[in-house]
Amino acid sequence: ETGVTQTPRHLVMGMTNKKSLKCEQHLGHNAMYWYKQSAKKPLELMFVYSLEERVENNSVPSRLSPECPNSSHLFLHLHTLQPEDSALYLCASSQEAWTSLHFGNGTRLTVT
Amino acid sequence: KNEVEQSPQNLTAQEGEFITINCSYSVGISALHWLQQHPGGGIVSLFMLSSGKKKHGRLIATINIQEKHSSLHITASHPRDSAVYICAALPRGAQKLVFGQGTRLTINP
Repeated sequence: ETGVTQTPRHLVMGMTNKKSLKCEQHLGHNAMYWYKQSAKKPLELMFVYSLEERVENNSVPSRLSPECPNSSHLFLHLHTLQPEDSALYLCASSQEAWTSLHFGNGTRLTVT
Repeated sequence: KNEVEQSPQNLTAQEGEFITINCSYSVGISALHWLQQHPGGGIVSLFMLSSGKKKHGRLIATINIQEKHSSLHITASHPRDSAVYICAALPRGAQKLVFGQGTRLTINP
């Protein structure tokens, strides 16, 4: 398996649920990113990890918290979400921070 | 006003037409990315460039640093080129990309 893989592809959850989004990259990259894409808005950067260290935290509410246990895996832990958190969440990786990005297919999250 | 502006926002064309999508930015940049997002949501990085021109198959990206402008061209367009094309700039000295709002391209057979 190659590239950037995100699971699940779709997720529907209530506001009181706890779930996690998973991202895995098999490209040997050192940087990983979480982006949020809401309807009719540009991509919004949420977090950047470089060599497993968080180097960017873009004022994201604490109800969405990242975890990067190693350079190949990135998680986004979700709890007590709000309807405005419904969006497409995209994971990306790059060899070094801000070089050519490789994106996963995204997880479409719906908060009910 | 967004630091990165794309035009047009929507573009519909017939198969075979030459397509141009424009991206203007207001700050000095280190690099500019062109991305392609298909209806399923997945994003593919097409180009990263900091000067001149790059070509890959039927896709050509150009950048004019002095004019703070980049274009993405598609020759002999095909319905499978239908997607949202996103321009993203990396401001000089900054640590994050600034994204345009995307251009939705539809190529009809």
